[in-house]
Amino acid sequence: DQQVKQNSPSLSVQEGRISILNCDYTNSMFDYFLWYKKYPAEGPTFLISISSIKDKNEDGRFTVFLNKSAKHLSLHIVPSQPGDSAVYFCAAQRGGGNKLTFGTGTQLKVEL
Amino acid sequence: NAGVTQTPKFQVLKTGQSMTLQCAQDMNHNSMYWYRQDPGMGLRLIYYSASEGTTDKGEVPNGYNVSRLNKREFSLRLESAAPSQTSVYFCASTRDRGTTEAFFGQGTRLTVV
Repeated sequence: DQQVKQNSPSLSVQEGRISILNCDYTNSMFDYFLWYKKYPAEGPTFLISISSIKDKNEDGRFTVFLNKSAKHLSLHIVPSQPGDSAVYFCAAQRGGGNKLTFGTGTQLKVEL
Repeated sequence: NAGVTQTPKFQVLKTGQSMTLQCAQDMNHNSMYWYRQDPGMGLRLIYYSASEGTTDKGEVPNGYNVSRLNKREFSLRLESAAPSQTSVYFCASTRDRGTTEAFFGQGTRLTVV
């Protein structure tokens, strides 16, 4: 029972264009959402997060949008750079809990 | 700053052998976690420790045991390794329970043959 889903295993984008990574969740008790970035042979690193009381959070080139009614969030990267090529994991948490529930990841490739 | 350090980075075991994966963090974090990453499955929580002296099961605890040795260290033990435990294992830590930003180690790639 996958509570956090990333339906696109891979995404290819040209340098300078926008990358949009999508994530859906099924558990309405989740109230905090995060994106992690992972390079090969390294651990995931935190990228950006959003609380359920917001619908948008921005940090430089990265913006996360949350649509609670649709149980959907997305990560926008503008402009995309070759160094953004990595696996991106969406994760969700219930309030005050310890556990992060991760999606299956999307491999982003930014081409020159 | 080392952050979260895992040892070993690679390991090959025969079915039935035992081993312990070590994890240490130097950020004075209270909570620590063990995840496994498998193709197409994302990261799944095995065990976690909300604070020194406590441990709890995660999503996939069967076949594993953990020890929170002290505030810095959290080890994962496979008593009798099985091929299904072939995976990449990540240790992580957070400052407190409910703190969302987790810091991850580099991972241990384990193969059970």
